[in-house]
Amino acid sequence: GAGVSQSPRYKVAKRGQDVALRCDPISGHVSLFWYQQALGQGPEFLTYFQNEAQLDKSGLPSDRFFAERPEGSVSTLKIQRTQQEDSAVYLCASSTYTEAFFGQGTRLTVV
Amino acid sequence: GIQVEQSPPDLILQEGANSTLRCNFSDSVNNLQWFHQNPWGQLINLFYIPSGTKQNGRLSATTVATERYSLLYISSSQTTDSGVYFCAVDGDMRFGAGTRLTVKP
Repeated sequence: GAGVSQSPRYKVAKRGQDVALRCDPISGHVSLFWYQQALGQGPEFLTYFQNEAQLDKSGLPSDRFFAERPEGSVSTLKIQRTQQEDSAVYLCASSTYTEAFFGQGTRLTVV
Repeated sequence: GIQVEQSPPDLILQEGANSTLRCNFSDSVNNLQWFHQNPWGQLINLFYIPSGTKQNGRLSATTVATERYSLLYISSSQTTDSGVYFCAVDGDMRFGAGTRLTVKP
């Protein structure tokens, strides 16, 4: 595709529900990143893939967060048993070895 | 991990003014990028600049890797330049807290 695509754009989840957020990177981009951005804050690093290998998951806030990229293309960020503090915009980016390009994000609201 | 600090945190300008935004980082980096987040939340890549100087229209950037800082220059600012400017460093792209720029007509 022409750019990084994220779905859904908006998600309202009841506390305790599991959610899955999808990221379709730019075709051929090796690297893929996930970030969490709270209102008024900068993007906080969650995890990073090169192809299908998850090279760094140090930013995942708890074991309720899980990310995968099984075929080195599409990635899914899963949050289990959502809590109110998980409410944020989740951003995905893909890159060559130089410039990164971001999707429009998924706004998650946990009620 | 590497620390990234941006300054100033907030900047208010009159249309037509020039500005300089700074990004300091705590260790040597192989990758540094500047991004603009518009008021609708979309992050746009401005520059990939681990060292040296680049220019793109009214924007230019300089990174002095040996002194661990990068500068983003905005000349003749326009209201559409408003938003938050971030730098992000290294292979896992760690972000600074950003500079919020408001350009008034």
